[in-house]
Amino acid sequence: AQTVTQSQPEMSVQEAETVTLSCTYDTSENNYYLFWYKQPPSRQMILVIRQEAYKQQNATENRFSVNFQKAAKSFSLKISDSQLGDTAMYFCAFMNTNYGGSQGNLIFGKGTKLSVKP
Amino acid sequence: GAVVSQHPSRVICKSGTSVKIECRSLDFQATTMFWYRQFPKQSLMLMATSNEGSKATYEQGVEKDKFLINHASLTLSTLTVTSAHPEDSSFYICSARDLTSGAFWGQETQYFGPGTRLLVL
Repeated sequence: AQTVTQSQPEMSVQEAETVTLSCTYDTSENNYYLFWYKQPPSRQMILVIRQEAYKQQNATENRFSVNFQKAAKSFSLKISDSQLGDTAMYFCAFMNTNYGGSQGNLIFGKGTKLSVKP
Repeated sequence: GAVVSQHPSRVICKSGTSVKIECRSLDFQATTMFWYRQFPKQSLMLMATSNEGSKATYEQGVEKDKFLINHASLTLSTLTVTSAHPEDSSFYICSARDLTSGAFWGQETQYFGPGTRLLVL
């Protein structure tokens, strides 16, 4: 069974600085997706960034980028120029999918609570 | 991006009553929807997978007779908590799978509803 581990329950960063959130996962599959979701106090889950396992290039979305190390099964999220609105819970998630279709359910880590301080 | 709505956003009910929560994909068709449960300060726990036109698949430990799921159309799934008890109080979140056609893998993404806070008295 796949598992997702986020070893940092809480982190804080000063506004405008850079922070990296860690995530490791365990799977025997070769094809899968990885995601980072943000959950602000409103509790709405918001997709931050996604990575397809077959792509070697790390995904980037504006101030958010990932460091995907497939062999090490590591998927960290870097937030540059942190803003107060980045304060939220961040969940790393794994989705196993393969040609022919699968249920596509997400497996979540326990989350990292990020606080951006002014 | 795609939008998923949930209704109601919060509900308070008496113990023993049933509560229905709706999840709708507003601008795409979702052959698969998922229902999650989230306790305070915890992660999301998958309860069941809902496929349009077929029976839902429940995760181990989730009572299918208590949490009834119906996915009658490509844009609507419902979760009914039957004979609710205080321990069923939680935050329930649905998500819908948006699998666009084209590439070998498609653009696989799940979009989440805003959640429903259930309080059973």
